[in-house]
Amino acid sequence: QKEVEQNSGPLSVPEGAIASLNCTYSDRVSQSFFWYRQYSGKSPELIMSIYSNGDKEDGRFTAQLNKASQYVSLLIRDSQPSDSATYLCAVLNRDDKIIFGKGTRLHILP
Amino acid sequence: KAGVTQTPRYLIKTRGQQVTLSCSPISGHRSVSWYQQTPGQGLQFLFEYFSETQRNKGNFPGRFSGRQFSNSRSEMNVSTLELGDSALYLCASSFPTSGGSYYNEQFFGPGTRLTVL
Repeated sequence: QKEVEQNSGPLSVPEGAIASLNCTYSDRVSQSFFWYRQYSGKSPELIMSIYSNGDKEDGRFTAQLNKASQYVSLLIRDSQPSDSATYLCAVLNRDDKIIFGKGTRLHILP
Repeated sequence: KAGVTQTPRYLIKTRGQQVTLSCSPISGHRSVSWYQQTPGQGLQFLFEYFSETQRNKGNFPGRFSGRQFSNSRSEMNVSTLELGDSALYLCASSFPTSGGSYYNEQFFGPGTRLTVL
């Protein structure tokens, strides 16, 4: 089982709709979770961090964490074409290493 | 505040050569991590330095090494380059949190694109 798993996509979402990105992780003692956005040819950019179960909102972005299910998600409301990118889920594991998923490619349809 | 800087941005080397990449973290950040990104493997952790000490290491061969200086700047070195070392090498810096985890929010530099011929 991979440590951090994401659907590679592409996930196509109409402009203005909600994009839902999902991530599962294998190390149940993980405590810190991050979402990064990476545009083609650019480096990853931190969008959200979440440490407690529940929802955390920041503008159009909401991160959701469920430690019991070992599941973290990112919702993007009112999706814009500029949101088209690869979204990377990252988890701090018990060895204090940040493990990245391979990312989900998101395509917002104008 | 200036972001993470990496030099050089692009590098072309031949098999068997060695290469040194440099990273300057955000001012005040004391932790620097290095990653290798390839289309097939994604983003893979190489190592992390804090206060001039290697705190953690990924599963890469000994040809990959690094160090950190007293001003938190870091370098990574790859010796005896192989074709498979062609990748984007990213460095990320972070500020230790009061919670004790040094892997708080990481901020990435623009990367160094290494091509091995």
